[in-house]
Amino acid sequence: SQTIHQWPATLVQPVGSPLSLECTVEGTSNPNLYWYRQAAGRGLQLLFYSVGIGQISSEVPQNLSASRPQDRQFILSSKKLLLSDSGFYLCAWSVGRGHEQYFGPGTRLTVT
Amino acid sequence: AQSVTQPDIHITVSEGASLELRCNYSYGATPYLFWYVQSPGQGLQLLLKYFSGDTLVQGIKGFEAEFKRSQSSFNLRKPSVHWSDAAEYFCAVGETDSWGKFQFGAGTQVVVTP
Repeated sequence: SQTIHQWPATLVQPVGSPLSLECTVEGTSNPNLYWYRQAAGRGLQLLFYSVGIGQISSEVPQNLSASRPQDRQFILSSKKLLLSDSGFYLCAWSVGRGHEQYFGPGTRLTVT
Repeated sequence: AQSVTQPDIHITVSEGASLELRCNYSYGATPYLFWYVQSPGQGLQLLLKYFSGDTLVQGIKGFEAEFKRSQSSFNLRKPSVHWSDAAEYFCAVGETDSWGKFQFGAGTQVVVTP
């Protein structure tokens, strides 16, 4: 069966520090991968999606970047965090066109 | 572009009572529709999905949803709620010709009282 992992589960970082969040998927090949951000009391905002290694599409211009160095690995990064980067970050995967997405457990990021 | 509206930000329901959560969407073609549930501090869990065919779909945990094209709606229902159904519920619409780009509603927080 398929499993999706995210780490770390929680992170507290000062403003201006770098960020690296990792997401890995097991049990499937060539998944579509997604990064979402969920601010407190709000819905999900799609940040990046990827349909293959090295292929990244950005949905919202911002302080963040994403990379996909391996088929089942998706990384969210920042060189310098802002206070507004605080939130709950969710990784998700799907297979094929238009199919349901499956979500990881999330990372709670607090920028101080 | 597609959009999703969940008109109710917060709903309180008594345990054992029925529950209906509203979802309206805007999309030029027949969309893919989904309902997800999120417990505090957790990821999202898929409850059910609609791609085509029977407009009444059954999901996990006793939930069902009905697709009504004429009303552009996909409302979620449960006949009798349990205390464990307290959570946030998200409706999502997916483009039928995309690589899984979803638009999520803002969510409905469900509180279950004894």
